[in-house]
Amino acid sequence: DAGVTQSPTHLIKTRGQQVTLRCSPISGHKSVSWYQQVLGQGPQFIFQYYEKEERGRGNFPDRFSARQFPNYSSELNVNALLLGDSALYLCASSLVIGSNEKLFFGSGTQLSVL
Amino acid sequence: QKEVEQNSGPLSVPEGAIASLNCTYSDRGSQSFFWYRQYSGKSPELIMSIYSNGDKEDGRFTAQLNKASQYVSLLIRDSQPSDSATYLCALLRGDTDKLIFGTGTRLQVFP
Repeated sequence: DAGVTQSPTHLIKTRGQQVTLRCSPISGHKSVSWYQQVLGQGPQFIFQYYEKEERGRGNFPDRFSARQFPNYSSELNVNALLLGDSALYLCASSLVIGSNEKLFFGSGTQLSVL
Repeated sequence: QKEVEQNSGPLSVPEGAIASLNCTYSDRGSQSFFWYRQYSGKSPELIMSIYSNGDKEDGRFTAQLNKASQYVSLLIRDSQPSDSATYLCALLRGDTDKLIFGTGTRLQVFP
């Protein structure tokens, strides 16, 4: 069975550009969450989507947006990139939410902003 | 005060020793706690979850939870060089999948 898949694995952008990161959850999982992990820090929650609706948003500026599609895959968009957006972006999926169920993380997208 | 606090380390232990990793949290209402292992450049991998006070053992790993004192710990017995990684403590917030992570403790196991 395929796990959580993210694309691309690595990305280099320049300041001011826009980026779209993609995530496919494990088959049957309806919840997708996005996390940002800056080097040397723990992951920080950005968004959660469940059944195509936003169910949670972390403390990130409006430059960050996301959506979930009918097949439960998800995209994270970041506009007007800043140097500080350089990080590992992680997607996690679960079958339902709030059930103490294990979150499955993808391998992440490493974004470098120059 | 950070919601989840960990000593960043590095914690260095010799091969075969017990590694003890600690984590404190501020929200008394937290119910679900997790330990993730993260190798450099890789994504976090869940190694233990604990929801009740006391100890939970899984192979060489033991998680300990004390809700009254608001701390969670992870013991790794017979540490191996392959255990060298960053260990992230996390708690689950409310009725979402919002995990709150600590900054992680880097563990180094030397031969």
